[in-house]
Amino acid sequence: NAGVTQTPKFQVLKTGQSMTLQCAQDMNHNSMYWYRQDPGMGLRLIYYSASEGTTDKGEVPNGYNVSRLNKREFSLRLESAAPSQTSVYFCASSEAYGGVNRGYTFGSGTRLTVV
Amino acid sequence: GEDVEQSLFLSVREGDSSVINCTYTDSSSTYLYWYKQEPGAGLQLLTYIFSNMDMKQDQRLTVLLNKKDKHLSLRIADTQTGDSAIYFCADSHPQAGTALIFGKGTTLSVSS
Repeated sequence: NAGVTQTPKFQVLKTGQSMTLQCAQDMNHNSMYWYRQDPGMGLRLIYYSASEGTTDKGEVPNGYNVSRLNKREFSLRLESAAPSQTSVYFCASSEAYGGVNRGYTFGSGTRLTVV
Repeated sequence: GEDVEQSLFLSVREGDSSVINCTYTDSSSTYLYWYKQEPGAGLQLLTYIFSNMDMKQDQRLTVLLNKKDKHLSLRIADTQTGDSAIYFCADSHPQAGTALIFGKGTTLSVSS
């Protein structure tokens, strides 16, 4: 099925471990995004990539890095996981013409627990 | 302050209409969006409205936009138990290019 694929779906890390969350889309979208969802906080933007070769910080980038590997793939890396990074992580993609977003397609999320 | 605000909970009976309200601050937005999230799933784009429209109807869904008051609402007619979910209002992100900023979501509970 066409859409946004995130791996893994679940992960438990120990404090200080590192990991990379993978995201791939097959809709030929230019823009990709990483959000985290926490109870009572809604969705907060971590990083985004407006087009292949560019990445920018969002509202909560500390403790994360990203790579826009090609047009399809946008990965999120936690270098040294902390309990505060326990969250559900969503990747999304969109087409944007003239800077106008036409709406996101979301992945199904990665549920990360840091102990 | 928050850029997109929503009430957190709404409870209705099956067959009633549901109205979910949202206020936003970015008056330059071209589109405003409603997303739906079912338990354990990602968000799905439910509908959107172009900023030069006052109303958009799509089957049981009606979106109303009041640009003067920066108020957006989603009305679901004949609400069903399958409509129970979290509904998010979204606007253009004020500091992040083509990204969106989301409200905290309204949990809709439908009882039979």
